[in-house]
Amino acid sequence: NAGVTQTPKFQVLKTGQSMTLQCAQDMNHNSMYWYRQDPGMGLRLIYYSASEGTTDKGEVPNGYNVSRLNKREFSLRLESAAPSQTSVYFCASSVSGGGDYGYTFGSGTRLTVV
Amino acid sequence: AQSVAQPEDQVNVAEGNPLTVKCTYSVSGNPYLFWYVQYPNRGLQFLLKYITGDNLVKGSYGFEAEFNKSQTSFHLKKPSALVSDSALYFCAVRDMGRRALTFGSGTRLQVQP
Repeated sequence: NAGVTQTPKFQVLKTGQSMTLQCAQDMNHNSMYWYRQDPGMGLRLIYYSASEGTTDKGEVPNGYNVSRLNKREFSLRLESAAPSQTSVYFCASSVSGGGDYGYTFGSGTRLTVV
Repeated sequence: AQSVAQPEDQVNVAEGNPLTVKCTYSVSGNPYLFWYVQYPNRGLQFLLKYITGDNLVKGSYGFEAEFNKSQTSFHLKKPSALVSDSALYFCAVRDMGRRALTFGSGTRLQVQP
């Protein structure tokens, strides 16, 4: 099925460990996004890539890095995980920047940092 | 900067009754407004959007939203609620600077049988 695929679905890290969250879309979308979801705070934008070859910071970029590997793939890296990064992470894609035609979301990665 | 507020953490409604989930926004320029729904352990799904045109926008699953420029609101409505409508609903506004969506904090809708 066409859509946005995120891996892994669940992960437990120890403080200080690093990991990369993977995201791939097969809809030929130009723009891709990483959000984190925390209770009572909705979704907050971490980084986004309006088009292949570009990445920009969102609302909460500290502690994260991203790579737009190609048009399909947009990865999120935590270099040194902290308990404050415990969250559910969602990747999304859209035809164009701004999401005027709607976002398609992945099913999320539930990350716990202990 | 653009922002969106959802003043209710939870809305409870009986099945068959009309429902309203509230959203207010703050933008500079013309607003681009959206509603998304999230079912348990799933990603968000697009419901509807307002870009321009009629103030009443119709979307998926029988939902509609009313854009009110003077009140800076974009409330989500449905004439007759279903138990299966129980989910988390997010209002969003396009951030013109970042070319991405800014989401509200979400409202949990509980429809009782």
